[in-house]
Amino acid sequence: QKEVEQNSGPLSVPEGAIASLNCTYSDRGSQSFFWYRQYSGKSPELIMFIYSNGDKEDGRFTAQLNKASQYVSLLIRDSQPSDSATYLCAVYIYSSASKIIFGSGTRLSIRP
Amino acid sequence: ETGVTQTPRHLVMGMTNKKSLKCEQHLGHNAMYWYKQSAKKPLELMFVYSLEERVENNSVPSRFSPECPNSSHLFLHLHTLQPEDSALYLCASSQEEGRVYGYTFGSGTRLTVV
Repeated sequence: QKEVEQNSGPLSVPEGAIASLNCTYSDRGSQSFFWYRQYSGKSPELIMFIYSNGDKEDGRFTAQLNKASQYVSLLIRDSQPSDSATYLCAVYIYSSASKIIFGSGTRLSIRP
Repeated sequence: ETGVTQTPRHLVMGMTNKKSLKCEQHLGHNAMYWYKQSAKKPLELMFVYSLEERVENNSVPSRFSPECPNSSHLFLHLHTLQPEDSALYLCASSQEEGRVYGYTFGSGTRLTVV
C-alpha cells in the first residue's frame, strides 16, 4: 500500500462547479497535511495546510481532514479554468526520518 | 519568487559533460531537498540535507552528487548522465522538516541529456 494515495484522474469539472479531490494516507502517526498545486512544467505551490480534524477554509478552497478514516480532501468552489492543474496531497510523518510524503497527484481539468 | 532560487532554469548537456545545478534559499530554513520529476510521473525524493548534513540518499546513482556547503546553498553535481535522466529537478527547503509549513519549492531546472 502506498503511503499517500490519490486518484490520478483526470477529473473533469464544469466551470463554476465544486471540484472535490481526495487523498488517503496509511500512517496513523501523520501530523500535518498539505495540498500543493502544480501547473504543467512548473514547480509545486503550497495552497492549503491542515493539522486538526474538520474543515479549514481559505477563499474558494476548503481542506477537510478525518484522522479516524485517514482521509484528507480539498474542495474548490466556483471552479475556474485557471484551477486546471495537478493537485498533490502531502503528509508529514513523524518518525526516525521525519519527512513529507507526496502523493502522485490528481490532474484536474475545468471545462468552460 | 518563492524564496528558493534555482539556476539554471534550463540545461542541455551531453552524456560526457559535467555540470552542476545550484539552489539557494533566502527563507532561513534549515533543511534542503533535491527532487526529480520525470514527465507525467510523481515526485521522486533524491537527497535530504538537514543542518547541512545529508540525512537521506534514496538509492540515487553515483552520477548524481549532492553538496550542501551551508544551510542556504545546495548543489547537485552531474556527470556521465544518461538520456533517462532528463527531467525537471526541483530543489525545496523547509524549517523543522516541514512539519508546520511544508516544503517551499524552487522553480526547477529542466534538464535534457542528449
